Order: sequence, then structure tokens, then C-alpha cells
Amino acid sequence: EAGVTQSPTHLIKTRGQQATLRCSPISGHTSVYWYQQALGLGLQFLLWYDEGEERNRGNFPPRFSGRQFPNYSSELNVNALELEDSALYLCASSLLAGATGELFFGEGSRLTVL
Amino acid sequence: TQLLEQSPQFLSIQEGENLTVYCNSSSVFSSLQWYRQEPGEGPVLLVTVVTGGEVKKLKRLTFQFGDARKDSSLHITAAQPGDTGLYLCAAYQGAQKLVFGQGTRLTINP
Repeated sequence: EAGVTQSPTHLIKTRGQQATLRCSPISGHTSVYWYQQALGLGLQFLLWYDEGEERNRGNFPPRFSGRQFPNYSSELNVNALELEDSALYLCASSLLAGATGELFFGEGSRLTVL
Repeated sequence: TQLLEQSPQFLSIQEGENLTVYCNSSSVFSSLQWYRQEPGEGPVLLVTVVTGGEVKKLKRLTFQFGDARKDSSLHITAAQPGDTGLYLCAAYQGAQKLVFGQGTRLTINP
């Protein structure tokens, strides 16, 4: 069974540009989470989608947005990129939305803003 | 402020030594998870602890949930180079989002 897949693996942008990151969850999982991981340390919660709806978002500015498609795949958009947006963006999927379920993570998309 | 505080942030020890890392909070949780992340990969769940005072063992790793369900510890016996990685504790906040501590970066030297 395929795990969570993310694309692209690496992305280099300049300040002010927009970045789009994509995530395909494990088959059968309806919840998708996005996290930002800077400097190889802890994960900061960005967004949670379930059944096509945004269910919760973390303390990030509105230029971080996303959506979940009918096939449960998801897209994270970051507008007006800033240098501090450089980070590893991790997507995870879960079978149990909002419960005590395990999150299954992809390998991440590393975004570098120059 | 972090909901989950992990300590130490960095730990480097020799192969064969024992170690303990901690995850603390002022909040009470219904459960707590531990993940391990290796370079170039996403975090992978190691264990979920649910009951106050619960102890779970995974080979040489022992996880304990505090009696008050506010804290947890991870003890590794006879550490091996393969134990190297970033150890993250996580808990659901309001049953809606899984929040993570800042992690303990563990290096086991041969």
C-alpha cells in the first residue's frame, strides 16, 4: 500500500513569489494535515482538512492557504513568500479525524526562499 | 509558549549508554504520542500512551505516561547508533489538532 506522497521534493523560490505544494494521502484516509518544520526541530501545525473542508488552522498568516480535493488529495499554497518561510513542509494523513489516531507522514517538501 | 516542552533539546551519548528524555506540559491530555523522525523522512509513530501511569515497552525503549497525564518520558536502554534521530512527543489539543513538542535530537556515537 502506497504511503503519503508529497511533491515536489524540493522547491526554490524568491521572495514575493508563490509556492504550491501537493499531497496525496493514504488510500482510504480522509483527513490531511499540514505542518511546517523549520531548522529540523518541532512541527508547527498549519492546516487540517477533512472531507474537503478546512477544519482547523494554526497561527499562520492568511497567505498560507490550501484546499482538499474530492479525491482527498490536498494542496498547500504560500503567497508572497518571505525568507522565513524556508522550511520542510510535511503532510500527514489519518483515518480517524480529530480523534486519537496516528498520523502517517510523507517525506516532506523542502521549500527554500531566496 | 510551547504546549509541550521537551528536554533535553539535544543529547549526544556513546553506544551502550542509557538515556531518558522528557515531555512536559501544564495541560492534561487524554493520550500522548511519541514519534521518531530520521533525516530525510517524515515522523513515524512509536507509541501512544493513554492511561495515567501507563508504561509501554518497545524493545529497548520504555515509554511512561505520568499519573496526572501531563507528562511523559522515554527511556532507552543500551542505546545503539540506529536509535539516532529526532524524538517528538505529540498530543491532541481539543481533539482537533495534533500538536508537537520541539523535539529531542539524539545522537548515538559508535
